[in-house]
Amino acid sequence: SYVLTQPPSVSVAPGKTARITCGGNNIGSKSVHWYQQKPGQAPVLVIYYDSDRPSGIPERFSGSNSGNTATLTISRVEAGDEADYYCQVWDSSSDPWVFGGGTKLTVL
Amino acid sequence: QITLKESGPTLVKPTQTLTLTCTFSGFSLSTSGVGVGWIRQPPGKALEWLALIYWNDDKRYSPSLKSRLTITKDTSKNQVVLTMTNMDPVDTATYYCAHSPYGDHYLFWGQGTLVTVSS
Repeated sequence: SYVLTQPPSVSVAPGKTARITCGGNNIGSKSVHWYQQKPGQAPVLVIYYDSDRPSGIPERFSGSNSGNTATLTISRVEAGDEADYYCQVWDSSSDPWVFGGGTKLTVL
Repeated sequence: QITLKESGPTLVKPTQTLTLTCTFSGFSLSTSGVGVGWIRQPPGKALEWLALIYWNDDKRYSPSLKSRLTITKDTSKNQVVLTMTNMDPVDTATYYCAHSPYGDHYLFWGQGTLVTVSS
């Protein structure tokens, strides 16, 4: 099955830019979706189809995808952005919906 | 406004069968392209996709759990039911149902329900 690899943790100071990566074999040929999950809460979709934002998601959240790496970028990071972030792809193999292992974003 | 809510037992014994119901509103599971999926998350661990049912009754299962899972829908009741047989303590997790507008990502999620497997 398809494997998505995320760094376990990323730390960033308030007001700076956070970049969370999601690695996969030729992931650039797939659509990547990103979810934010705060403690005790359900995941929230923040980016879909690589770079689209659902209604209500700040423009500070953006995404890109090329080659073997997809990236979620959070600009002007705020304390409220502290959360776990998961990437997800749909793959036409036998295990269609694959999630990455998650990245804990810490705002210093 | 789309909402989903999971319901079912909070505690099951090993070897028992778990039945979870997802009751939703704000969309129809007879609309082309729409799906409802189940995802679980063991305490402190990552999300794991389990199953999804499409508007046309097409069903997909995680290969590693396929033999234990069954997903069904009742369009008239706006419900999706997931059953998982032969429960084990490692199945202890929060179980989420989620709405998929095109079958490839999950736009709206339920609040989740914690299921503990213990004797």
